[in-house]
Amino acid sequence: GDSVTQMEGPVTLSEEAFLTINCTYTATGYPSLFWYVQYPGEGLQLLLKATKADDKGSNKGFEATYRKETTSFHLEKGSVQVSDSAVYFCALPNQAGTALIFGKGTTLSVSS
Amino acid sequence: DGGITQSPKYLFRKEGQNVTLSCEQNLNHDAMYWYRQDPGQGLRLIYYSQIVNDFQKGDIAEGYSVSREKKESFPLTVTSAQKNPTAFYLCASSIPLAGVGDTQYFGPGTRLTVL
Repeated sequence: GDSVTQMEGPVTLSEEAFLTINCTYTATGYPSLFWYVQYPGEGLQLLLKATKADDKGSNKGFEATYRKETTSFHLEKGSVQVSDSAVYFCALPNQAGTALIFGKGTTLSVSS
Repeated sequence: DGGITQSPKYLFRKEGQNVTLSCEQNLNHDAMYWYRQDPGQGLRLIYYSQIVNDFQKGDIAEGYSVSREKKESFPLTVTSAQKNPTAFYLCASSIPLAGVGDTQYFGPGTRLTVL
């Protein structure tokens, strides 16, 4: 079945470091792909999404490119801030399009 | 402002008691969802509803029940049959696009602790 695999955390970085969080997927066809972010004690917020192959989603300095050749949707940011500390989830729709399948989440901790 | 509200934020219950978690949205979305989040396990789908008066089981529906009598509301009942109910519960809604999937909007969550 469809699935999402994220790199395990925690990821610990210093402020202004480069961030990559890997996400690969298994799916039938070319579904939309999503990155969500969860700040401590809160619900999830959509960070960015891409709806077709080669699309690049971007928001708040984060980017991710939908690569069908490698079935990947890696999240990147050129210079992280302490305020980026959160849990990041990669997700895609299930085959029926009735719900999202989430990865297990990657915790990012940024120190000043 | 449009959004999703969940109440209460923290909930404590004794073992063996049923408890109902509230979820309300004013986004005019047709679809609503309940997820359970446990440390290191990501989100797991409990129930979802694509339209009023209809709902479907997700991956971990055992021990839970829902109703969808109004478009705006999708309450979740955690019954005494749920073996390990202590968790963070998240409600979400979306405008469903069958076969494509669409952005889900999440509430702030309810942390349930069973004593």
